Amino acid sequence: AAGVIQSPRHLIKEKRETATLKCYPIPRHDTVYWYQQGPGQDPQFLISFYEKMQSDKGSIPDRFSAQQFSDYHSELNMSSLELGDSALYFCASSRGQGAVAYNEQFFGPGTRLTVL
Amino acid sequence: ELKVEQNPLFLSMQEGKNYTIYCNYSTTSDRLYWYRQDPGKSLESLFVLLSNGAVKQEGRLMASLDTKARLSTLHITAAVHDLSATYFCAVEEPNKWGGADGLTFGKGTHLIIQP
Repeated sequence: AAGVIQSPRHLIKEKRETATLKCYPIPRHDTVYWYQQGPGQDPQFLISFYEKMQSDKGSIPDRFSAQQFSDYHSELNMSSLELGDSALYFCASSRGQGAVAYNEQFFGPGTRLTVL
Repeated sequence: ELKVEQNPLFLSMQEGKNYTIYCNYSTTSDRLYWYRQDPGKSLESLFVLLSNGAVKQEGRLMASLDTKARLSTLHITAAVHDLSATYFCAVEEPNKWGGADGLTFGKGTHLIIQP
């Protein structure tokens, strides 16, 4: 079965640079979620989109922005990178909002970002 | 603010033994998930619990949900080395449309099973 695709899988950046992470949801999934997991930490919810509109916002820094496109893929844009941004970034996708009883989130393999 | 507390955070056990991981949460949500994560890997969905009294079993793992007590448990029976991993519980708060917002995770239980 098709899974969530994330690219790149690994990314190395210098401080103050910018980075863009991409997420391609499972086919027919219309909701995308972004999570950040620091070393030894639990995943922290950043932001989510449903039908190209922001549906929920978590602990996303102001330096980060995200959007969902017409094909439902999503991009997380990160600017003025800091050492503390080094983490695993997961994207998850689910299908439906409101019309279904629940929306199980399926996680992608993650992008490991290292800021030097 | 939703809080999710797991305990223990670290667990070392011998193969063949039984143990339980606990997950307490502060909201009235009836949607709880258990995930497994191997080092540097993604989150693998283990169980989806959607109602009070829900019990699900897969192999040596069994999860249950008590929404009145706001408690979920993950029970390991006759542990084997391959179950060594970090286990997270996560709680979902439904949004106003009946769909899902971001999950709130517990801190995780780092489980080591020694042969």
